[in-house]
Amino acid sequence: EPEVTQTPSHQVTQMGQEVILRCVPISNHLYFYWYRQILGQKVEFLVSFYNNEISEKSEIFDDQFSVERPDGSNFTLKIRSTKLEDSAMYFCASSGVSGRGTDTQYFGPGTRLTVL
Amino acid sequence: QKEVEQNSGPLSVPEGAIASLNCTYSDRVSQSFFWYRQYSGKSPELIMSIYSNGDKEDGRFTAQLNKASQYVSLLIRDSQPSDSATYLCAVIPNFGNEKLTFGTGTRLTIIP
Repeated sequence: EPEVTQTPSHQVTQMGQEVILRCVPISNHLYFYWYRQILGQKVEFLVSFYNNEISEKSEIFDDQFSVERPDGSNFTLKIRSTKLEDSAMYFCASSGVSGRGTDTQYFGPGTRLTVL
Repeated sequence: QKEVEQNSGPLSVPEGAIASLNCTYSDRVSQSFFWYRQYSGKSPELIMSIYSNGDKEDGRFTAQLNKASQYVSLLIRDSQPSDSATYLCAVIPNFGNEKLTFGTGTRLTIIP
């Protein structure tokens, strides 16, 4: 069964460093998302991406964040200068073409980001 | 602020009993509703989706939606220890591909 994959599973970085989290969405999906979950808190939306551009972003997704689809398969989240409060689990998700019953978002296993 | 509310639990249910999980949402125009299961340290896994008022059954799981009351629930019949997890209610406004708004989740423990 197709699935969303993410690398790395765990990333440790120093405050102020740049990190890139990588995702491979399900191959025939067109909509891509990043969510994050701070330990003990709810899953929060960061950004959605369609047709090579951001379709929606949350207040969390400030100028330190960027997303890119560098090729036909990868979808990346870059944090330019990490802060302690960026420590969280980051989930990539993807969904199919628009329409009822196809908006189900499937989540990858996540990348645990630890900022020291 | 569009909110999704869930009782955080923990909810303890004996093995073999019915577990009942509830969720309310504030955005009246919401159209798509999802229940995800999340084991500790893992990603959300889709259990059920529901779009119309009434019940939708899938195996041991039944989702119930009442748009007038802005209420969605999940029943788990014949609860098993492997059902012990956090159950996340999530909502999107339309049928399209938009952001999910999650509740905080209800932690369910099935007691053998």
